[in-house]
Amino acid sequence: ELKVEQNPLFLSMQEGKNYTIYCNYSTTSDRLYWYRQDPGKSLESLFVLLSNGAVKQEGRLMASLDTKARLSTLHITAAVHDLSATYFCAVVGMEYGNKLVFGAGTILRVKS
Amino acid sequence: KAGVTQTPRYLIKTRGQQVTLSCSPISGHRSVSWYQQTPGQGLQFLFEYFSETQRNKGNFPGRFSGRQFSNSRSEMNVSTLELGDSALYLCASSLGFPGQNSPLHFGNGTRLTVT
Repeated sequence: ELKVEQNPLFLSMQEGKNYTIYCNYSTTSDRLYWYRQDPGKSLESLFVLLSNGAVKQEGRLMASLDTKARLSTLHITAAVHDLSATYFCAVVGMEYGNKLVFGAGTILRVKS
Repeated sequence: KAGVTQTPRYLIKTRGQQVTLSCSPISGHRSVSWYQQTPGQGLQFLFEYFSETQRNKGNFPGRFSGRQFSNSRSEMNVSTLELGDSALYLCASSLGFPGQNSPLHFGNGTRLTVT
């Protein structure tokens, strides 16, 4: 069974601080996605990571992928309140019929 | 460009009834996937359709079914509803197969409550 584990599951941080969310997965995959979900809203695509060593940045968020370690990170720089949301990583399981499997999500709360 | 449209937004049904949810993908997108989101289980994959063919199916009982039409619109049906079926059902579309580097674009979901 393809497992996608995120940690932490809950993160409370102060504005201006840096932090990293980790996403580990159990299968061979070179395709990983990060999504954001605001309360009561749908999922918004943040990053698409398609190869080992891929790094993408958008504003205060930077995502990277290490396919050998089966690990992706979402780094938050100088957090602001508007980043408060739930962040999901999702992995394409090539050994599982290319299903897209989501992690449990990380609830991020940025306190001012 | 219009996004993914799901109807209805909210549904309240009683146990034993059946329900049909509808999803209109982004124009030009041929792949539609369905997910169930609950606080306890998170996002769980239901099905994926491409060009009217079901390509993948998650681990849900046969009460959950779906289909895709020639215009790429999709429906999912849940029969003999159980309390545990209460969830947010999300539909997502993509240009190609999700495994082909196409990110999923999600609709706002249908909130189903079973009483």
